[in-house]
Amino acid sequence: QVQLVQSGAEVKKPGASVKVSCKVSGYTLTELSMHWVRQAPGKGLEWMGGFDPEDGETIYAQKFQGRVTMTEDTSTDTAYMELSSLRSEDTAVYYCATPRLGWNYEPQPWDYWGQGTLVTVSS
Amino acid sequence: QSVLTQPPSVSGAPGQRVTISCTGSSSNIGAGYDVHWYQQLPGTAPKLLIYGNSNRPSGVPDRFSGSKSGTSASLAITGLQAEDEADYYCQSYDSSLSALYYVFGTGTKVTVL
Repeated sequence: QVQLVQSGAEVKKPGASVKVSCKVSGYTLTELSMHWVRQAPGKGLEWMGGFDPEDGETIYAQKFQGRVTMTEDTSTDTAYMELSSLRSEDTAVYYCATPRLGWNYEPQPWDYWGQGTLVTVSS
Repeated sequence: QSVLTQPPSVSGAPGQRVTISCTGSSSNIGAGYDVHWYQQLPGTAPKLLIYGNSNRPSGVPDRFSGSKSGTSASLAITGLQAEDEADYYCQSYDSSLSALYYVFGTGTKVTVL
């Protein structure tokens, strides 16, 4: 059973950067394909990017390209999502999510989700 | 904006049947990609509800069912219960930008009257 535990809430000023972590237990990070999704207050889910095991690369949603970086520390089984040049519209709950091993669907469904990290951007 | 369109809200009395549509296009659902559904209870992370268009993970009641046809998919809840009051999202791939991207539906709030 995979567990994803995210870092705590953050308050940032416009123009700053934020780095959210997602600690994996139950599996090693190298066995998983981690994705990041955000949800603005009262709004829907928005995919930001994630690891594509077919290409072995991280792909980013066009909207966030140039502003988001997703990295992994395999020594601690922790995934990170860093978003820069923050603006008020980036205020949202950020989730990490991943499919379990062995799915044979396109796309793979995401069984496991972190608890979410609230990022508030305010001057 | 999302390329998968859902009705903003649906409602029903306890015991009734409600359906939620997820309308896409030839670059996503119509291209043959699978559709998954997630349930999000207030203040919690989304939970996988239906995978591969019509399959239920272990533990999901059989009153939830999914289907897919052409460029659309649907989620049905039969025997609606108070604990089904939540937001529901469909998910698939989209290939309109010369790469495969995950996309979510706009989301539907289910209210139990």
